[in-house]
Amino acid sequence: EPEVTQTPSHQVTQMGQEVILRCVPISNHLYFYWYRQILGQKVEFLVSFYNNEISEKSEIFDDQFSVERPDGSNFTLKIRSTKLEDSAMYFCASSAVGEQPQHFGDGTRLSIL
Amino acid sequence: TQLLEQSPQFLSIQEGENLTVYCNSSSVFSSLQWYRQEPGEGPVLLVTVVTGGEVKKLKRLTFQFGDARKDSSLHITAAQPGDTGLYLCAGAVGAQKLVFGQGTRLTINP
Repeated sequence: EPEVTQTPSHQVTQMGQEVILRCVPISNHLYFYWYRQILGQKVEFLVSFYNNEISEKSEIFDDQFSVERPDGSNFTLKIRSTKLEDSAMYFCASSAVGEQPQHFGDGTRLSIL
Repeated sequence: TQLLEQSPQFLSIQEGENLTVYCNSSSVFSSLQWYRQEPGEGPVLLVTVVTGGEVKKLKRLTFQFGDARKDSSLHITAAQPGDTGLYLCAGAVGAQKLVFGQGTRLTINP
């Protein structure tokens, strides 16, 4: 069964450094999403992306965050200058069309030191 | 701001018992999804309910969407140790995002 893949599974970064999290959505999907889950808290929406542009973003998704689909398969989340509070699990998801179920990757655990 | 309240947060029962998990909101969702999440993994989709009043069955799991599309329930019949895990409900807000509940950590004791 097709799946969303995320790399790396664990990223450790010094505070203030840039980090790029990578995702390969399911191949025929058109809508892409990033969510995060701080330890012990709810899964929170960050951003949705369709037709090469951001559809919606949450308050969490400030100027330090950006997303890109650099080619036909990858979808990336960049955090420009990481803060301690950015430590979390980051999940990528995709859906075939906007109102279809979202399928999630296994996440990247981001640890900021 | 849409919120989904999921209850109970923790549930520990004996094998063979029945249980129900609830997801409630004051907001209307276009659909509602139930996921199961294992430690260190992403949420895995169990079911999507779309129509108010819809009931879907997945073996011993029964999912219901409220008539007003504001609430949902997951009922497990004759729970087994393999049902142990974290169950998440998530309401879809149009095509843009999912709003998640806090999750129910279910433990089925043999």
